[in-house]
Amino acid sequence: SQTIHQWPATLVQPVGSPLSLECTVEGTSNPNLYWYRQAAGRGLQLLFYSVGIGQISSEVPQNLSASRPQDRQFILSSKKLLLSDSGFYLCAWSGGTGELFFGEGSRLTVL
Amino acid sequence: EDKVVQSPLSLVVHEGDTVTLNCSYEVTNFRSLLWYKQEKKAPTFLFMLTSSGIEKKSGRLSSILDKKELFSILNITATQTGDSAVYLCAGASGTYKYIFGTGTRLKVLA
Repeated sequence: SQTIHQWPATLVQPVGSPLSLECTVEGTSNPNLYWYRQAAGRGLQLLFYSVGIGQISSEVPQNLSASRPQDRQFILSSKKLLLSDSGFYLCAWSGGTGELFFGEGSRLTVL
Repeated sequence: EDKVVQSPLSLVVHEGDTVTLNCSYEVTNFRSLLWYKQEKKAPTFLFMLTSSGIEKKSGRLSSILDKKELFSILNITATQTGDSAVYLCAGASGTYKYIFGTGTRLKVLA
C-alpha cells in the first residue's frame, strides 16, 4: 500500500535562517505531489504542485521554493525565513484515482 | 479564480444530533469534490465525489454532489463527541490542483 512520510514533524527557526522540509511517497510511481500551508485556524493554501520530476508549479509568489529531484521526493525550501512563514506545512500526493492523501505535517515556528 | 466556500464556519451540537455541512465551489474544469476530517494533525480522507446525485456513505457519514448547482453536502447522523473536528472540502480541477475551503469547525457536546 502507499504511504507518505514527511519530516521534520516540528521545528523552531530564527528569522533569516534557511528551511528544508522533505516528503517521500512509497508504494506508487509518478504521483502528483503537493505542498500546502495552513495558518492557525485557517484553511489549506496550495503553495506548489508537481506532476513529474523537475516540473514545479508555483501558486503563491513568496520566499519559498520547491524541488522534485526524484519521482517520489518533494522538497520545500527557503533561503531566509520570515515571521509570516510560520504555519503547518502539509505534503500530499495523488495518483490515478484522484484521491489526495496527506503526510503527517510539519509545524514550523519562526521566531 | 477558483474558489471553494464552506458553511457554516462553526457549529455546536449535542450528541445524537444530525448535522449538515455545506460546500459550494467554482473550480476550472472541475473533476471531483473531496471531503476531509481534520483533528489535531493532518486531514484524513473521507469521500471523493465525481457524479451528481449519487450518495456516498460510510457509517454515520454520507455525502452527495450537485454538479448543476455546484455544491456538496456532508451529513453526519447520530453525532458523537469523536466527530468533533474541522471538516474540509476541496475541489479538484482539471489541472491537477486541489482547492480547499476554510473548513467547518464542528463541536459535539456530550
